[in-house]
Parts: sequence; structure tokens; C-alpha cells
Amino acid sequence: NAGVTQTPKFQVLKTGQSMTLQCAQDMNHNSMYWYRQDPGMGLRLIYYSASEGTTDKGEVPNGYNVSRLNKREFSLRLESAAPSQTSVYFCASSEDSSSYEQYFGPGTRLTVT
Amino acid sequence: GESVGLHLPTLSVQEGDNSIINCAYSNSASDYFIWYKQESGKGPQFIIDIRSNMDKRQGQRVTVLLNKTVKHLSLQIAATQPGDSAVYFCAENNPGGGNKLTFGTGTQLKVEL
Repeated sequence: NAGVTQTPKFQVLKTGQSMTLQCAQDMNHNSMYWYRQDPGMGLRLIYYSASEGTTDKGEVPNGYNVSRLNKREFSLRLESAAPSQTSVYFCASSEDSSSYEQYFGPGTRLTVT
Repeated sequence: GESVGLHLPTLSVQEGDNSIINCAYSNSASDYFIWYKQESGKGPQFIIDIRSNMDKRQGQRVTVLLNKTVKHLSLQIAATQPGDSAVYFCAENNPGGGNKLTFGTGTQLKVEL
């Protein structure tokens, strides 16, 4: 099992450009999450998907959209990147909506200039 | 709002000593707590969890203590090794908010040889 995989590992964007961060898990988990991590701060939830076909906003959803493509994949889209979105992005998954233990991917380091 | 925080941002210990990492939480309704370890350049990795009906839980070289009276959580690492050097995060659940977690800001553990 690869667990949770994320692509790309690194990305540099110019202000106003768009991009999609990809995430996939092979653990047959129902719930998936997107976080951002900034220096000196904990992980902050952007969006989550409790199960296939559902998505909900987290703590910091502005400027982002998500798609739960199927049970395995959960993508995060930046429509018009801003310097404030420079961060490390982590995708995570958990077994189902009653499970709190989350498994994390290796992260995507995004820089917006 | 409710938050999870850490007392010490950086902790330095000698190899072989025991480490204690502390965490304060403010949501008295939280009933599940989890510790993650994050090595440089990697995603967070589950260490140990505890539910509010317990005061103590032990794993391999790690112990989590929960004091609900003062809303305090600690992670004890026995015989700290260089491989334990990482950032450690505590997180709490959000009762009534699905299976989301709220993360603390993290403590950097440095193991000196």
C-alpha cells in the first residue's frame, strides 16, 4: 500500500495562475481532508469530504475549491493563486466519519510569487 | 474561539533522557486526543491517541497522559533517541463537528548527542 500520495511535490506559481493539487489514497477510506501548514502554525483544515459525493468547508476555505472525484481521489484547486496561499499543503484520509485517526500524505510545497 | 496550544515551542533533550511534551486544550467537550510526529519534509505520522474516559495510555516508548481537570495533555517519550527529533502536534476532536480535528501549533523536539 502506498497510503496517501500527493502530486506535485513542489510547485511555483505566479499570482493569478491556477492549479490543481492531486491526492489519492489506496486504503479504501471514506473520509478525506485538505490542510495547509504555515510556519509557526498548526495544520488548518481547508476542506474535507466525509464520504464520496460530499464536501464541506473547513476553517480556511476561501480561495480554494475541491472535488471528490471518486472514493480514492480528492483534489484541491486554486483558481487564482495569491501570495497568501504560499504554504505546504497536506492531504489526509480516515477510515470513515466515526474515525478520528488521519493518515497524511507527504505534502506539496507551493510558492506563489 | 476554542483552541489547542502547546506550552513550549522548542524542547532540547539529551539522548537517552526522557522527554515530556505538553499541550493545553480549551474545549472541555473534546473527548478524543491524538499526538502526531512530523519529521522534516514529511507529513504528520500518528503516534498515539487517548479518549477522555482514560487518564493514561501507553505505547511503545511513548505514554500519553490526560488531565481533564486542568485540560492538559502530555506526551512522554522514554529513552529519547536521535530519530525522535521532529515536531510533535497534539490535536483534539470537534464534538458535534464530524470527525474533524483541531491541531495545536507544534513543539520542536531536538535530541542532543
